[in-house]
Amino acid sequence: DQQVKQNSPSLSVQEGRISILNCDYTNSMFDYFLWYKKYPAEGPTFLISISSIKDKNEDGRFTVFLNKSAKHLSLHIVPSQPGDSAVYFCAANQGSSNTGKLIFGQGTTLQVKP
Amino acid sequence: DVKVTQSSRYLVKRTGEKVFLECVQDMDHENMFWYRQDPGLGLRLIYFSYDVKMKEKGDIPEGYSVSREKKERFSLILESASTNQTSMYLCASGSTPVYEQYFGPGTRLTVT
Repeated sequence: DQQVKQNSPSLSVQEGRISILNCDYTNSMFDYFLWYKKYPAEGPTFLISISSIKDKNEDGRFTVFLNKSAKHLSLHIVPSQPGDSAVYFCAANQGSSNTGKLIFGQGTTLQVKP
Repeated sequence: DVKVTQSSRYLVKRTGEKVFLECVQDMDHENMFWYRQDPGLGLRLIYFSYDVKMKEKGDIPEGYSVSREKKERFSLILESASTNQTSMYLCASGSTPVYEQYFGPGTRLTVT
């Protein structure tokens, strides 16, 4: 049973426009959420995170929104750039933050067209 | 600059072979993790370790074991490789408390 779901396998946007990547989760006990970006032939790299006590976190062009009542989070990239083309994974912390046991979504492939 | 290295980028093994995947981190992190990545399934946690000689099962530990004899090194062992273990294997590390994990480049394992 997939506790963290990314229902859109792919997304294509034009350079300069907004990219919105979505993620749903089922366990209300998750207390921390993260987004990772992965280029082909490389390991994932951390992008941005949010604690469950917040509803928004911003870092430059990247903003993550958390809607706890809907068990939904989203990543906004504004403006999108061709270098943002990658696979994006959302993840939730499913245990004590001391050990960082993460559960990942299936990933969404973002293509930003010049 | 955090560095997590994995012993091989590509590996081809035969069914029934014992396979060792090695991971080394240089940031003195207490926590280390092994994941596998498969299309449509994302990353799934196999095992993790929060201290030397300590380990805990992740979500899909069957068919795997791990070893952590030194803080910087975490090994994943496939006791008897099977074709359904063909996958991309990713190692990660993180400090305590863990919020962000640092990943290695991955090992693409093919079992024939």
